[in-house]
Amino acid sequence: AQSVSQHNHHVILSEAASLELGCNYSYGGTVNLFWYVQYPGQHLQLLLKYFSGDPLVKGIKGFEAEFIKSKFSFNLRKPSVQWSDTAEYFCAVNAGGATNKLIFGTGTLLAVQP
Amino acid sequence: GAVVSQHPSWVICKSGTSVKIECRSLDFQATTMFWYRQFPKQSLMLMATSNEGSKATYEQGVEKDKFLINHASLTLSTLTVTSAHPEDSSFYICSAPPGQGEGYEQYFGPGTRLTVT
Repeated sequence: AQSVSQHNHHVILSEAASLELGCNYSYGGTVNLFWYVQYPGQHLQLLLKYFSGDPLVKGIKGFEAEFIKSKFSFNLRKPSVQWSDTAEYFCAVNAGGATNKLIFGTGTLLAVQP
Repeated sequence: GAVVSQHPSWVICKSGTSVKIECRSLDFQATTMFWYRQFPKQSLMLMATSNEGSKATYEQGVEKDKFLINHASLTLSTLTVTSAHPEDSSFYICSAPPGQGEGYEQYFGPGTRLTVT
């Protein structure tokens, strides 16, 4: 069965620090990969997605992620975080095919201190 | 972007009663919708796939007789928690892709917080 693991459960950073959140998945076939963000009191929003092509994907708000197939990883990065990036971040995998079913990681709670 | 709404946003019910939660795609049609459950400080757990015009597909371990799903139209799916118990208290979230197959992201509703007393 597919699974997604996020190694960092809670991350605290100061503003302007660089961010990298790890995401690994287990599935041997073709996958579609996503990062979603949930700001306090709001619903899930898409940050970025990878379906094919360039493994370095750029998303909204300065976020990017790199798909490394050999490592089954899709880590999220941002060179300089802001206080407004405080949120919970979820990595998700879809095994492709006819279904859009998503399997989510456990989430990483990011707190950015001003 | 596409919008998905849920109603109600918050509901309290007594143990043994049933509660219906609605999920609507407001500006697109969705032949498939997904229902998730999120426990406090935990991730989203996929409960079932709601299919317009056919039966829902439930994930392993989810009781289909307890969590009734109906996809009445291309813009509405409902989740009914039957004979609710305190352990059913949770945050229920729906999502829908604006198309079928690969290449479509999902849009999420704001969630419904269910508290069973």
